[in-house]
Amino acid sequence: AQSVTQPDIHITVSEGASLELRCNYSYGATPYLFWYVQSPGQGLQLLLKYFSGDTLVQGIKGFEAEFKRSQSSFNLRKPSVHWSDAAEYFCAVARDRGSTLGRLYFGRGTQLTVWP
Amino acid sequence: EAGVVQSPRYKIIEKKQPVAFWCNPISGHNTLYWYLQNLGQGPELLIRYENEEAVDDSQLPKDRFSAERLKGVDSTLKIQPAELGDSAVYLCASSLEYTDTQYFGPGTRLTVL
Repeated sequence: AQSVTQPDIHITVSEGASLELRCNYSYGATPYLFWYVQSPGQGLQLLLKYFSGDTLVQGIKGFEAEFKRSQSSFNLRKPSVHWSDAAEYFCAVARDRGSTLGRLYFGRGTQLTVWP
Repeated sequence: EAGVVQSPRYKIIEKKQPVAFWCNPISGHNTLYWYLQNLGQGPELLIRYENEEAVDDSQLPKDRFSAERLKGVDSTLKIQPAELGDSAVYLCASSLEYTDTQYFGPGTRLTVL
């Protein structure tokens, strides 16, 4: 079965500092990986996704993530955090794509607080 | 283009009462998902529709939960009767057939007293 671990429940950074949110997955084959962000009272917004190819993927809002097969990780990074980045971040994995993408397995999320 | 629309945004009911949530997916999206998000947790899939057909409902508690997607567009998720443990956010998402990105609505926050 697929599973996703986000080891950090809450992270606090200062505005302008760099950020790395950790995500580890458990799945035998190459997974399809996603990062979503959820602001209070809002739905989840896709930041970026990895299916194949270049293991460093660029997303919206200046975020990037790197797929490391040897570590079963897909960590999210941003070189300089803005106060508006404060939100909850979810890593997710899926087994299939296309019409059978079906079930996304989400981690429990990492709450990001940004100090001014 | 309008995103996924859900209503109501908030609902407070007493236990044992029925409740229904409505979702209107993005126009043209054939696949529709209902997720349950408990406090402090990531979303978990309840049911997935391909057009009118429920193709994955293994996680839906069928004794009290039901869903429908008439005409392959809008969908309704119902709970009858509601229990205290059903308090959570219910998220709807949609995607184009044969594509990969799921677009989420803002969710319905249910409180059962």
